[in-house]
Amino acid sequence: GAVVSQHPSRVICKSGTSVKIECRSLDFQATTMFWYRQFPKKSLMLMATSNEGSKATYEQGVEKDKFLINHASLTLSTLTVTSAHPEDSSFYICSARGTGGDTEAFFGQGTRLTVV
Amino acid sequence: GQNIDQPTEMTATEGAIVQINCTYQTSGFNGLFWYQQHAGEAPTFLSYNVLDGLEEKGRFSSFLSRSKGYSYLLLKELQMKDSASYLCVSVDSNYQLIWGAGTKLIIKP
Repeated sequence: GAVVSQHPSRVICKSGTSVKIECRSLDFQATTMFWYRQFPKKSLMLMATSNEGSKATYEQGVEKDKFLINHASLTLSTLTVTSAHPEDSSFYICSARGTGGDTEAFFGQGTRLTVV
Repeated sequence: GQNIDQPTEMTATEGAIVQINCTYQTSGFNGLFWYQQHAGEAPTFLSYNVLDGLEEKGRFSSFLSRSKGYSYLLLKELQMKDSASYLCVSVDSNYQLIWGAGTKLIIKP
């Protein structure tokens, strides 16, 4: 299947700083990318859906100004956690979907964010 | 290595019951998810098991046996809209998600 590369796999940052997570589709053009957040022992929650060249659509309850999503090209989307707080510590995962109406989405391996 | 095994494809009849099995081998274990994914859409959460046993949620039930590294998803009263891929996802000791390749379920009238 197609490959989605997510970087970094782990990151530790100080409270108040910003962290950028990258999601790249390596062998296909991803018109749509999804960003998820997972809490320990809980479900994977969709945060936002981004389409290349347009603004991301955020799920209810997700702060747009805190979780900045950029999808400027067909192979790269970024999630920036701004002014991080310890409660932002979580597992973030992206998935990417190619062109075509019935293509499946492929997942990155996730980023473990710890805010200290 | 870490591995998830589930059947590639299954076929069932509308109104019937189907069981999708999943075996996993991961370094440590922090639970197992089942997701449903329709073609062209993001996966949706179905269930999460971290303790042994059966958890029932409407027409869907999920079972886990940690000692056997085994889980199954049981779908009852199948409807045509249940045609989708079903993903078994294990969470390892580092909270990394280990994804199965998915089972494509085809429902026939």
